[in-house]
Formats: sequence, structure tokens, C-alpha cells
Amino acid sequence: GNSVTQMEGPVTLSEEAFLTINCTYTATGYPSLFWYVQYPGEGLQLLLKATKADDKGSNKGFEATYRKETTSFHLEKGSVQVSDSAVYFCALTLYSSASKIIFGSGTRLSIRP
Amino acid sequence: NAGVTQTPKFQVLKTGQSMTLQCAQDMNHNSMYWYRQDPGMGLRLIYYSASEGTTDKGEVPNGYNVSRLNKREFSLRLESAAPSQTSVYFCASSEGTESSYEQYFGPGTRLTVT
Repeated sequence: GNSVTQMEGPVTLSEEAFLTINCTYTATGYPSLFWYVQYPGEGLQLLLKATKADDKGSNKGFEATYRKETTSFHLEKGSVQVSDSAVYFCALTLYSSASKIIFGSGTRLSIRP
Repeated sequence: NAGVTQTPKFQVLKTGQSMTLQCAQDMNHNSMYWYRQDPGMGLRLIYYSASEGTTDKGEVPNGYNVSRLNKREFSLRLESAAPSQTSVYFCASSEGTESSYEQYFGPGTRLTVT
């Protein structure tokens, strides 16, 4: 079936460290891929997205590249800040329908000053 | 502009009790969604409403009912709560159900059923 697998957390880094959160997917067809972020006490917010192979989504210094050959969409940031502490969710949609969105289990990121 | 609001923020129920979770959006969005979030799992879609007057089941609809009261409001009802329904519930809205439309989420309702 269709699924999203992301690295388990929590991930703890020092400020200005390099961040990678791994995400791989299994899907029939050609999904669109997303990263959502959930700050403490808030709902999820769309961070970035990519709709076809080799697309790169980027926002707020975060990047992720849609890799069809490795079925991956890893999230990266060159220099994290304390304000990046949050839970990050990888997700995919199929058939161009948001009602079919499939989320990963989330990765909690904590940044030490 | 409040976005998506949900009430209550927290709720404790006894097994068998009923309750309604309220959701409202002020972005004039056509589509609205209810998700549940459980530890170690991603969000799972319970029900959605593609447009005012329509509702459809998602991945985990059993034990829930929904009402799209008007374009702004979409409520989720638990008729007879069970401990398996202990979860965090999120409401979301979007302009339409196409995946190109961003979903906007409320802050969530943490429900405990004892």
C-alpha cells in the first residue's frame, strides 16, 4: 500500500548545526510530496512541497528534493536555530486529491542554544 | 483573521459519553477536514467535506459523525466515546480538495476517554 516512513525522533542538535530528517515513501503512481511543521501548541503548517521528480521545494532555509529513484524526500537545513524546534511531518498525496493525503509519524526536533 | 479555530482545547470523557468538537474557518474555504493524531502515527483522515452540503468518509470514520453546518463550520461528533478514541483531533480547511491547495490546520483538541 501507500505509505510514508520518516526517521524516528527526537532529534536534538545544537544551534547552527546541519539538519537532515529522512523521509522515504511507497506509492503507486506519481505522488506530490510535502513537509509540514507543527510548532508547540499549534496546528500543522505547510513548510514546502514538490509535485514531480527532481523538483526542489524550499522555504525558510529548509530544502527537500523529490528523488524518484530512491523514493525519498529528505528535509535539510544548513544552520538550524532554536526557533526551528518543532515536529516535522512528511506527507504525500495521490490522484491530485487532498482527501488522500498520507502523513508520516512525525519527527520531533529540539535545538539547543 | 483567526484562520481555523477549534473548541474545546482539552476534554476528558467517560466511556459512553457523547460530545461534539467544533471547528470554524474564516478564510472562505470550500473544503474542510477532520484528522486524528495518535502517538507514533501520522495524522489520519476521519471525514472531510469537499464543499458545503457534502461530507465523505476518510480512512478511519467508524465511531464518528460529522455535520457541515454552513461554509464556515464543520463539527465532529462522538456518539458513544470509547478509550480507543483518545487522541488529538485536528480540523483543517482548504480552498478545494485538489492537492495543490494548501491545508490550514487548527490548534487541535486533546481528548481523553477513560
